[in-house]
Amino acid sequence: GAVVSQHPSWVICKSGTSVKIECRSLDFQATTMFWYRQFPKQSLMLMATSNEGSKATYEQGVEKDKFLINHASLTLSTLTVTSAHPEDSSFYICSARVRPTDYEQYFGPGTRLTVT
Amino acid sequence: AQTVTQSQPEMSVQEAETVTLSCTYDTSESNYYLFWYKQPPSRQMILVIRQEAYKQQNATENRFSVNFQKAAKSFSLKISDSQLGDTAMYFCAFSYGSGNTGKLIFGQGTTLQVKP
Repeated sequence: GAVVSQHPSWVICKSGTSVKIECRSLDFQATTMFWYRQFPKQSLMLMATSNEGSKATYEQGVEKDKFLINHASLTLSTLTVTSAHPEDSSFYICSARVRPTDYEQYFGPGTRLTVT
Repeated sequence: AQTVTQSQPEMSVQEAETVTLSCTYDTSESNYYLFWYKQPPSRQMILVIRQEAYKQQNATENRFSVNFQKAAKSFSLKISDSQLGDTAMYFCAFSYGSGNTGKLIFGQGTTLQVKP
């Protein structure tokens, strides 16, 4: 149980275009999902908390207009990187809690974004 | 502010031997959870072990055990009978809230290499 999937696993896009990454909870409903960014050999940096049916809460320093998050259902959250630039190239990981009262999070396999 | 510190960027151990990864944290919260996550070369984050702060007994999961020293705010991970598959980056993480307000705060990570 507690499986989280992400799609795509790897995407290459041209500078100036937008790209959408999907995060799905496969065997549970997630009222809250989280989006992280990770650079090579570094730790995970929380970008935003995604709440089903409401606006996402962004961490300080994260551009809301560049990283659009939509949590339209209890099993799907999406991250759209708008007007992507090479510096947006990174590994993006989502996670979710099985129950709202849980403390631990279960992670998707991540999406590697390369902007050329 | 809550912080998590892993002071060992890299470690290595011979197969079948025991290794201990260090983690310290700082918080003023009284109710919280601590975790160790493993990130192998596939980059999939895997929950290794969890510890509730109110429990004095150290958590154990097969070959993985923790030494939780609440007063010292220390949370080390011991891996016994190390296996090649244990080669990964290990992250210590702290969570002080659940639901849509809680977050996971990660340490910098320790890269562990198990040598044959």
